[in-house]
Amino acid sequence: DAKTTQPNSMESNEEEPVHLPCNHSTISGTDYIHWYRQLPSQGPEYVIHGLTSNVNNRMASLAIAEDRKSSTLILHRATLRDAAVYYCILRGSTNAGGTSYGKLTFGQGTILTVHP
Amino acid sequence: ETGVTQSPTHLIKTRGQQVTLRCSSQSGHNTVSWYQQALGQGPQFIFQYYREEENGRGNFPPRFSGLQFPNYSSELNVNALELDDSALYLCASSVTGGRNEQFFGPGTRLTVL
Repeated sequence: DAKTTQPNSMESNEEEPVHLPCNHSTISGTDYIHWYRQLPSQGPEYVIHGLTSNVNNRMASLAIAEDRKSSTLILHRATLRDAAVYYCILRGSTNAGGTSYGKLTFGQGTILTVHP
Repeated sequence: ETGVTQSPTHLIKTRGQQVTLRCSSQSGHNTVSWYQQALGQGPQFIFQYYREEENGRGNFPPRFSGLQFPNYSSELNVNALELDDSALYLCASSVTGGRNEQFFGPGTRLTVL
């Protein structure tokens, strides 16, 4: 699986934008970039995903570099409820037998702290 | 719409025992994946079941096994428990073999003494 690199931690103030970076220099042409977050004492939660173009949804925006070797998750106005561990994941879409499956390979993630 | 549920919430076992953890997938989802999350680490993929068959496995020994039932509920069984098996066990359900968004349950916290 291609590897992602994220900062261990970041801090933000409430109501301010947050840019969470992710490097994935060994990404393959068919890898999708997925972001999940894990709030304290909960299971991970899907945030957003994309392939080449920037993506927006109700939770966040995903900006993908033109060479696809890095991406940035953007929270437009951080709230206290956004405090979580954010994981950047490249999807492994097939196993050795050629059957597609959706294994998620989580790294350490970025711990986001939001200050009131 | 009911989300992914897991039972029990917490469990304490001793070394050498066997444990069964249960997961009920979100309605309409035909794929379930199981993950192990040690304290302070990201979740690690154990295996995935699609249409009642295992179709992907991570780096876990055979004493980790699973089942998926026709109603898409699932079990994770761990035999011969070891201290290092202490972790949060997460299941995630999805559609179409897991290529899309996965919905995670709250997890079962297993402690092995």
